[in-house]
Amino acid sequence: KQEVTQIPAALSVPEGENLVLNCSFTDSAIYNLQWFRQDPGKGLTSLLLIQSSQREQTSGRLNASLDKSSGRSTLYIAASQPGDSATYLCAVYFGNEKLTFGTGTRLTIIP
Amino acid sequence: DTAVSQTPKYLVTQMGNDKSIKCEQNLGHDTMYWYKQDSKKFLKIMFSYNNKELIINETVPNRFSPKSPDKAHLNLHINSLELGDSAVYFCASSPGNNSPLHFGNGTRLTVT
Repeated sequence: KQEVTQIPAALSVPEGENLVLNCSFTDSAIYNLQWFRQDPGKGLTSLLLIQSSQREQTSGRLNASLDKSSGRSTLYIAASQPGDSATYLCAVYFGNEKLTFGTGTRLTIIP
Repeated sequence: DTAVSQTPKYLVTQMGNDKSIKCEQNLGHDTMYWYKQDSKKFLKIMFSYNNKELIINETVPNRFSPKSPDKAHLNLHINSLELGDSAVYFCASSPGNNSPLHFGNGTRLTVT
């Protein structure tokens, strides 16, 4: 069964610190992996998309890595800010026309 | 300009009623989706349409019927609403499988 897991479910970090969010998936035969953020009461915003042939993608203070062989991806956030507080979701295209989501990590940046 | 817009934002209704949620995207994308987010925040795909044609129908009760009048619109009609249908429903679109999804802001459906 193709599954996506995100641990921990919640994370609190003091402002200014660097942090890493984790995502693991059960099948290494993936097309791509996407990271989203969801603010309370809002839809999802796409942050980064990593193709299966890539190892990482960067956008501003965000860096996402992909290790297909171990079934892992990380989202690194540098110099965290209170505005980074949100739920971060990892989603994987396993090549079956479906994007499978993890349950997310709720991130709180403490001012 | 809102790229993916869905209406209404909130919908409160009684069991047994029939309701519709509308979705429109102005991004020119070929593929549109409906996702359901349950109380535990788990997002699961319900339907996927590509150029008005149904691609994915994920073990969703046939009380749920998507309608795509054109590739910019994908509406969701729900018959005989049940308590378990209470959730947030998200519409999304993308140019294709290898492109990021763009989500609407969600419709919070509450069935009483």
